Amino acid sequence: GAGVSQSPSNKVTEKGKDVELRCDPISGHTALYWYRQRLGQGLEFLIYFQGNSAPDKSGLPSDRFSAERTGESVSTLTIQRTQQEDSAVYLCASSQRGDSLETQYFGPGTRLLVL
Amino acid sequence: RKEVEQDPGPFNVPEGATVAFNCTYSNSASQSFFWYRQDCRKEPKLLMSVYSSGNEDGRFTAQLNRASQYISLLIRDSKLSDSATYLCVVNGWGGSQGNLIFGKGTKLSVKP
Repeated sequence: GAGVSQSPSNKVTEKGKDVELRCDPISGHTALYWYRQRLGQGLEFLIYFQGNSAPDKSGLPSDRFSAERTGESVSTLTIQRTQQEDSAVYLCASSQRGDSLETQYFGPGTRLLVL
Repeated sequence: RKEVEQDPGPFNVPEGATVAFNCTYSNSASQSFFWYRQDCRKEPKLLMSVYSSGNEDGRFTAQLNRASQYISLLIRDSKLSDSATYLCVVNGWGGSQGNLIFGKGTKLSVKP
């Protein structure tokens, strides 16, 4: 079946603009995660959605970052007033139940460059 | 102390070599452990889970030492296609057990 998809695949924006990144998880997966990976760095957890529970926002680096998820489907990550340090690959992953033992399946990522 | 630590490498080995990667994690409450593989400019993909008793999948062997908070990955008979970055991963803790904490990865380059 279809994997996790993300759009756009690449985004170039100017400092101060807002951007919106989209993630379509695998159908039927109740858990959805956003991560950030800066060049040459490891993955950094941002936010986690599990079913109808309140999202775990503990990884969001500032109040310029927010994310929403509609039911158990699409999620959008919004970065307001982008800064150059926001340049990174933003990866979305999903898993079936959000159980810590589960495999997370990653999308191809959105490469964001803030000029 | 960093949550998940790995030697960044790179490990440059010839085909056929055996190579081992180590990883330490800081929180003794972690319950789930994994090795993910990430190819250049690609997303991470699960290589294998790591079980308390140790587990093997073909040429790959993973081991966990809870007392020392240490995870290892052994690759035997290295192939050119094994060249990638290997990410040590543990689950989050406290209220965030669903998310994963990633190490920065160990880069492996297998040469002909």
